[in-house]
Amino acid sequence: AQRVTQPEKLLSVFKGAPVELKCNYSYSGSPELFWYVQYSRQRLQLLLRHISRESIKGFTADLNKGETSFHLKKPFAQEEDSAMYYCALSPGGYQKVTFGTGTKLQVIP
Amino acid sequence: GAVVSQHPSWVICKSGTSVKIECRSLDFQATTMFWYRQFPKQSLMLMATSNEGSKATYEQGVEKDKFLINHASLTLSTLTVTSAHPEDSSFYICSARGQGMNTGELFFGEGSRLTVL
Repeated sequence: AQRVTQPEKLLSVFKGAPVELKCNYSYSGSPELFWYVQYSRQRLQLLLRHISRESIKGFTADLNKGETSFHLKKPFAQEEDSAMYYCALSPGGYQKVTFGTGTKLQVIP
Repeated sequence: GAVVSQHPSWVICKSGTSVKIECRSLDFQATTMFWYRQFPKQSLMLMATSNEGSKATYEQGVEKDKFLINHASLTLSTLTVTSAHPEDSSFYICSARGQGMNTGELFFGEGSRLTVL
């Protein structure tokens, strides 16, 4: 069975400081990893996926298979980054996507 | 991008009545839809996975007779909360996965807030 762990419920950083939202997973195969974001009063939306190796809104995430981690990083936090962030794992195919418990990022002006 | 719409956005009902929530994919065909509950300041709790034309697969601890899920077409899934009670009050969210789309990329509805009096 797959599991996604986000150890921090709340992460507070000052504007301009670096951000790292932690995500660890357990799965025996080669999963796809994603980060989803939910801004205040908005629906959940995809932020980025590991296979794309892209940077979205300054955020990047690298899949570390050795450490089974997929941490989300941004060098300089902005106030508009304040949101709830969810790490998610997909085994592939038509199986369900497993979400972590989420981390609330609070960027202090 | 793909759009998923939920209706109603919020509903208040009396205890003992049933409530239906609709989840529609507006511009794509959704082979799979997922239903979640989200408690205040908590994460998403997956309730069930619904594939078009087949019975929903419920997560452990979710009563299938209480939460009826129907996925009769590639663009519509419904969640019916039967004989609702105050403890069923929650935020219900659906997401959809489209045909030919990346398997882990889900499109979420805006959610439906249910309050049972």
